[in-house]
Amino acid sequence: GQQVMQIPQYQHVQEGEDFTTYCNSSTTLSNIQWYKQRPGGHPVFLIQLVKSGEVKKQKRLTFQFGEAKKNSSLHITATQTTDVGTYFCVFTSGGSYIPTFGRGTSLIVHP
Amino acid sequence: KAGVTQTPRYLIKTRGQQVTLSCSPISGHRSVSWYQQTPGQGLQFLFEYFSETQRNKGNFPGRFSGRQFSNSRSEMNVSTLELGDSALYLCASSLSAPSSKDTQYFGPGTRLTVL
Repeated sequence: GQQVMQIPQYQHVQEGEDFTTYCNSSTTLSNIQWYKQRPGGHPVFLIQLVKSGEVKKQKRLTFQFGEAKKNSSLHITATQTTDVGTYFCVFTSGGSYIPTFGRGTSLIVHP
Repeated sequence: KAGVTQTPRYLIKTRGQQVTLSCSPISGHRSVSWYQQTPGQGLQFLFEYFSETQRNKGNFPGRFSGRQFSNSRSEMNVSTLELGDSALYLCASSLSAPSSKDTQYFGPGTRLTVL
C-alpha cells in the first residue's frame, strides 16, 4: 500500500534559523498540497504542486516537488515566531481523489 | 466573504448517543469535505459531498454518515458514539474540484467529547 512519511515530527529552532520538513512516498504522487495549522487553529492552504521538479516560492517559504514525484519539501528561511505551527503535506496517488494528510511537522520557534 | 462556519463548536455526549454536526461552506463553494483530527491518528478524511452527492469516502465505519443540501450546507452524523470518536471534526469547502485537487478552506471545527 501507499506509504508516505513526513519528517521530522517536531523541530525546535532559534528565531532566524532555517527549517525544512519533508514528505517521502514509496509510490508516485499525483499532486501534493501543503497546509499550516496554528496551535488551536484550523489548517490553512499554502500551496499545491503538480509537476515533476516543480519549485514554488512564497516570500520566505520554498516548496519543491521531486523529479520522480515521490517526495516534496517545504523550506522556511530565517524563521520567525509567526511561523510556529504544524505543517502538513496532503497527497493523492494513482487514480484516487482521497486526500491523505501526512502526520505533520510541528515547528517551535524560540525567540 | 464569510468563511466556513461550523456548529456547534463544542459538544459533550455519552457513549451510545448520536450526534449531528453542521457546516456552512463559503458562498459559491459546492464541495464540502469532512475530516476527523485526533492526536493519535492525525487528520483523516471522512467523506466529500458535491451537489448533494457523496463523491468520495474515507475508511470509516457506517456509523459515520453525511449529507449535503441544495444550498451546499452539509451535516455529518455519528450514531452509537464510542469513546474513540472524541475528536476535532473539521469541515472544509472548495469551489468544485475534488478536494484533493483544489484549495480547501477549513472551518474552525467542532470539538466532540464522548464520555
